[in-house]
Amino acid sequence: NAGVTQTPKFRILKIGQSMTLQCTQDMNHNYMYWYRQDPGMGLKLIYYSVGAGITDKGEVPNGYNVSRSTTEDFPLRLELAAPSQTSVYFCASSYFLAGGRPTSYEQYFGPGTRLTVT
Amino acid sequence: DAKTTQPTSMDCAEGRAANLPCNHSTISGNEYVYWYRQIHSQGPQYIIHGLKNNETNEMASLIITEDRKSSTLILPHATLRDTAVYYCIVRGVSGGGADGLTFGKGTHLIIQP
Repeated sequence: NAGVTQTPKFRILKIGQSMTLQCTQDMNHNYMYWYRQDPGMGLKLIYYSVGAGITDKGEVPNGYNVSRSTTEDFPLRLELAAPSQTSVYFCASSYFLAGGRPTSYEQYFGPGTRLTVT
Repeated sequence: DAKTTQPTSMDCAEGRAANLPCNHSTISGNEYVYWYRQIHSQGPQYIIHGLKNNETNEMASLIITEDRKSSTLILPHATLRDTAVYYCIVRGVSGGGADGLTFGKGTHLIIQP
């Protein structure tokens, strides 16, 4: 398994441009997440999804949009990029079985996308 | 989710045990303690988790105090590759963790040769 893959690895955007960060997982996980990490800080949750067709906002959703048309893919869209969106973006996935043992929910992370907005 | 407190940084000699503390005095009865680490420029990596019993896996051991207000992650024989930021996270499991993990600033562990 490739696990969680993200593209691109690096990107420089001009203010006002738009782009989509791609995330794919091949572990058949139902839950997927997008986080951002600013320099020297921990990760903050942007959006998450509990299954295809279902998405919800995390702690810092403003300026972003997501969709989940398949189990495998969870793209993150940036509209009208701003310098405040300069960050490293991580996608993650996990598996939850309703009624299963609630002891893990380990999240698997992708390698990240480093985005600079100038 | 309960808040956690960790030292900003720690040093450990290569080959020695690295003991990383975490305080979580407001933890509630159904909240688990998770540890993740992030090696420079990579995505976070799950290490271990526990509720109230001590846990061990191939990567580390987790010691949780009897009152559950603090815990210690132990890397038994630290190597240079263990240099990373280590995050202690406390969270409940209702809904399967759908709302993600709350990362603080963690502890920057530096393994010295």
